[in-house]
Amino acid sequence: NAGVTQTPKFQVLKTGQSMTLQCAQDMNHEYMSWYRQDPGMGLRLIHYSVGAGITDQGEVPNGYNVSRSTTEDFPLRLLSAAPSQTSVYFCASSSSQGRGYGYTFGSGTRLTVV
Amino acid sequence: AQSVTQPDIHITVSEGASLELRCNYSYGATPYLFWYVQSPGQGLQLLLKYFSGDTLVQGIKGFEAEFKRSQSSFNLRKPSVHWSDAAEYFCAVGARNAGNMLTFGGGTRLMVKP
Repeated sequence: NAGVTQTPKFQVLKTGQSMTLQCAQDMNHEYMSWYRQDPGMGLRLIHYSVGAGITDQGEVPNGYNVSRSTTEDFPLRLLSAAPSQTSVYFCASSSSQGRGYGYTFGSGTRLTVV
Repeated sequence: AQSVTQPDIHITVSEGASLELRCNYSYGATPYLFWYVQSPGQGLQLLLKYFSGDTLVQGIKGFEAEFKRSQSSFNLRKPSVHWSDAAEYFCAVGARNAGNMLTFGGGTRLMVKP
């Protein structure tokens, strides 16, 4: 069971470039989300989804887009990269069912924007 | 809005000593509460979670946490720390609505002295 898989693990972008961070889970979880982690600030929610076709904004959504066409995949798109988007990005998924709830995290994507 | 405070940014303990990491939360009702651990360069691993019922929760790796409603706290404890416990620890509160999105504290970095 692979859990939550994120690709790539590392990426360097130039300012203004666009890219997509990939996230896939094989646990049939309804809930998926994207967080960014910056030193001293913990993790902050970017976007989340409660099921295929349903997404919503989190705390820091500006500059990012998401879509969820399947249960398994939840890609995060950077529209025009900025140095402020240099961060570590984590994707997570969770069951919606009672005590099965609890987010499982991927291993992260370290993004540097120069 | 929900929030989490971890008052200690860094903690250093000797190997074999007991450990308590503090977590205070703000939430309008009974929350879902979590502790995650992150080793350097890794994703987050769930240590334990509280949903309801018994206020003392057992987790993996010998950790436990106690939910105290009157103090809005969910402190993490371990009776005897091992060198491999050195990592960053995050407390999180989960909303009791669709998506059950997590809000994280800023984290506590634990160092273990030999």
